[in-house]
Amino acid sequence: EDKVVQSPLSLVVHEGDTVTLNCSYEVTNFRSLLWYKQEKKAPTFLFMLTSSGIEKKSGRLSSILDKKELFSILNITATQTGDSAVYLCAVEAYSGGGADGLTFGKGTHLIIQP
Amino acid sequence: DVKVTQSSRYLVKRTGEKVFLECVQDMDHENMFWYRQDPGLGLRLIYFSYDVKMKEKGDIPEGYSVSREKKERFSLILESASTNQTSMYLCASSPRTPNIQYFGAGTRLSVL
Repeated sequence: EDKVVQSPLSLVVHEGDTVTLNCSYEVTNFRSLLWYKQEKKAPTFLFMLTSSGIEKKSGRLSSILDKKELFSILNITATQTGDSAVYLCAVEAYSGGGADGLTFGKGTHLIIQP
Repeated sequence: DVKVTQSSRYLVKRTGEKVFLECVQDMDHENMFWYRQDPGLGLRLIYFSYDVKMKEKGDIPEGYSVSREKKERFSLILESASTNQTSMYLCASSPRTPNIQYFGAGTRLSVL
């Protein structure tokens, strides 16, 4: 059974701090790892990672994948109150069928205090 | 912008009722998915479809069925709603590749 574990489950920091969110996985036939941000409603896509060691960056957010050690990290620098959200890690595995569902971790609930 | 629209934000139904949750996407995506999200359990895949009239079971299909008669529309059906199906239901769509899934705002279903 595919498994995705995120840590920590919750985190409270002050505005301006840097945070690192962790995601480890056990998946048969790994294809990609995705990060989403979920505020009140729909998860919104942040990054898709398929190759080890290549950092993806978008503004203050960045992410990297280690396929040997089976984990990924999401970094947020100079945090702002608008970064408060649940961050979801998901893994896509080849199913051999026409599409692949995602296996999600439970998420990290990040709270940024002013 | 990708738009995935779920027909209801909140729904209250009684035990035993047949419930339809509708999802429409406007990006001509091949793949569509239904997940449920519960506190402490995260998002879990119920069913997905990679083409019109095609469907595949996800991790928790029991008690659910789906219908995809048109490419843009994917319906989740609870044949006989039960209280343990009270949950947030999220629909998503993605192109054939890459499988970046875009989510709707969700339907919060309460079964009384």
